[in-house]
Amino acid sequence: AQSVTQPDIHITVSEGASLELRCNYSYGATPYLFWYVQSPGQGLQLLLKYFSGDTLVQGIKGFEAEFKRSQSSFNLRKPSVHWSDAAEYFCAVFGGATNKLIFGTGTLLAVQP
Amino acid sequence: ETGVTQTPRHLVMGMTNKKSLKCEQHLGHNAMYWYKQSAKKPLELMFVYNFKEQTENNSVPSRFSPECPNSSHLFLHLHTLQPEDSALYLCASSQKGATQNTGELFFGEGSRLTVL
Repeated sequence: AQSVTQPDIHITVSEGASLELRCNYSYGATPYLFWYVQSPGQGLQLLLKYFSGDTLVQGIKGFEAEFKRSQSSFNLRKPSVHWSDAAEYFCAVFGGATNKLIFGTGTLLAVQP
Repeated sequence: ETGVTQTPRHLVMGMTNKKSLKCEQHLGHNAMYWYKQSAKKPLELMFVYNFKEQTENNSVPSRFSPECPNSSHLFLHLHTLQPEDSALYLCASSQKGATQNTGELFFGEGSRLTVL
């Protein structure tokens, strides 16, 4: 069955520092992979997605993610974090067999001045 | 105007009340979804509508009753809820029908429900 693991529940980084949020998935074939961001009191906004092709995908707000099949990972990165990036980040996997988008439990990012 | 609009944004109701949540999408999408987001739990898919037809009910209690009169509107009717139903209810839509989905969803801002 499909599943998504985000091992870090909460991360704190300093403004200007680099960021990497981890995501591991379980799925038999190549899945469609997503990162969403949720600011307080808001819905989920799509940051980026991977369907096929280049394993390094660029998203909005300066984020990127790399699909690594050998590690079943799709980690989210940003070279320099801004205070406005403080939010909760959700990794999600979609597989055609179940036709469902399965979300991880999320990683809450805090940004220190 | 956002692509997916949910009203009300906040709702407080007693266990004997009847209320409804409304979702409207302005994106021309064919599929609409209700998700429940509770603290410290993954997002839970509740219902899926594909071209106005319900294609998924993810073992949701009958005190939640969805309605999809057309591809642009989705309702969640609530009655005799329990305090554990307090959560953020998110509506989403997708461009392709749910059976041809790539998984890319567009979310509304959610309706925060508190059941007393």
